[in-house]
Amino acid sequence: DAKTTQPPSMDCAEGRAANLPCNHSTISGNEYVYWYRQIHSQGPQYIIHGLKNNETNEMASLIITEDRKSSTLILPHATLRDTAVYYCIVTSYNTDKLIFGTGTRLQVFP
Amino acid sequence: DVKVTQSSRYLVKRTGEKVFLECVQDMDHENMFWYRQDPGLGLRLIYFSYDVKMKEKGDIPEGYSVSREKKERFSLILESASTNQTSMYLCASGPAGGGDTQYFGPGTRLTVL
Repeated sequence: DAKTTQPPSMDCAEGRAANLPCNHSTISGNEYVYWYRQIHSQGPQYIIHGLKNNETNEMASLIITEDRKSSTLILPHATLRDTAVYYCIVTSYNTDKLIFGTGTRLQVFP
Repeated sequence: DVKVTQSSRYLVKRTGEKVFLECVQDMDHENMFWYRQDPGLGLRLIYFSYDVKMKEKGDIPEGYSVSREKKERFSLILESASTNQTSMYLCASGPAGGGDTQYFGPGTRLTVL
């Protein structure tokens, strides 16, 4: 699996958009970008995934650059409950082996 | 909503004890997984299963075994617990053909004394 690089921590004001970057410069053509998050003392939670097109669901938007070497997870209106560690994972479809890195610790403040 | 439950949130055992961690999912998922999570090491895959009575080793299977007698239940067994198995254990499930979308339980924090 391709490796990902994420900043270790970020802050965001409540109500503002949180933009979490992820670099995956060695991604190959059949690999997807997945995002999970883990709120303190809970199991990870699936957020969104994409291959090359931008994706949006009720939780977030995923913007993937045209060369697919990086992506950004956008939480449009961050709340205090969005405080968590966010993991960007690159994986071939149906490998069933998610490799979690250390992620980005997002702190949303009032 | 998918629900993945784990038998205990906190567990304390002694070295040498046999430990069973139970995981149950209610969404008829084919795939089930066991991870452990340690500070600085992230989540590491121990075992996974694609179907009843099937199991595959993950990245760190040593010291563990698993059992999947029913589709909804996946058990992790520590045959003889050791202190280096003190960790947070996370179970997950996912549908066949669902890519890598996995649904996690709340975790069991196991302490081995």
